[in-house]
Amino acid sequence: DIVMAQSPLSLPVTPGEPASISCRSSQSLLHSNGYNCLDWYLQKPGQSPQLLIYMGSNRASGVPDRFSGSGSGTDFTLKISRVEAEDVGLYYCMQAVQTPITFGQGTRLEIK
Amino acid sequence: QLQLQESGPGLVKPSETLSLTCTVSGGSISSTSYYWGWIRQPPGKGLEWIGTIYYSGSTYYNPSLKSRVTISVDTSKNQFSLKLTSVTAADSAVYYCARQYSSGPGQPTMIDYWGQGTLVTVSS
Repeated sequence: DIVMAQSPLSLPVTPGEPASISCRSSQSLLHSNGYNCLDWYLQKPGQSPQLLIYMGSNRASGVPDRFSGSGSGTDFTLKISRVEAEDVGLYYCMQAVQTPITFGQGTRLEIK
Repeated sequence: QLQLQESGPGLVKPSETLSLTCTVSGGSISSTSYYWGWIRQPPGKGLEWIGTIYYSGSTYYNPSLKSRVTISVDTSKNQFSLKLTSVTAADSAVYYCARQYSSGPGQPTMIDYWGQGTLVTVSS
């Protein structure tokens, strides 16, 4: 199985400040089609996860442009340019280059 | 707007079978562009992918659960189902059904729609 490792696991952020979450995989997530099979999800308190970023760097529909994804191969980053109060929750990366699909442990973003 | 709704018992006894159904509305489960999957989340823990099915019946399971899991699809009812046998307390979790985009044969990828989740507790 591909192991996904996120850091940090806890991320206190002051509103208006940037935030960054790292996700590293034990194997390359670059598919033969040229895309990285790495997605980012946000699970707000009491809610189901929601898709933020797909294929490493593409924002899902309705996701604010303060969210961005980058990286390739085994090293990926989710950045929030200016954190807002509504961004609190658990952030997960997920790989789908091969089954079983696996998730990172989750990063809890909280407001200072 | 696509919606997925899980249904099934919230309490299952140890050693018995957990059975859940996901009803899809606002879209067809027979779409060639998507897979339909199950993900679970034990209380206070992270996400675990259980498996996924294509409308044709092709399935992909997590090897850690494969011997106990069956996912099936009923295109006439626009539903898919999960069965997990011989459950223990470790199977207590919120179970989500979800839609996964298809990047090609045998390639379920991003999860773009999730159900609200249903809590299943395994206890006598």
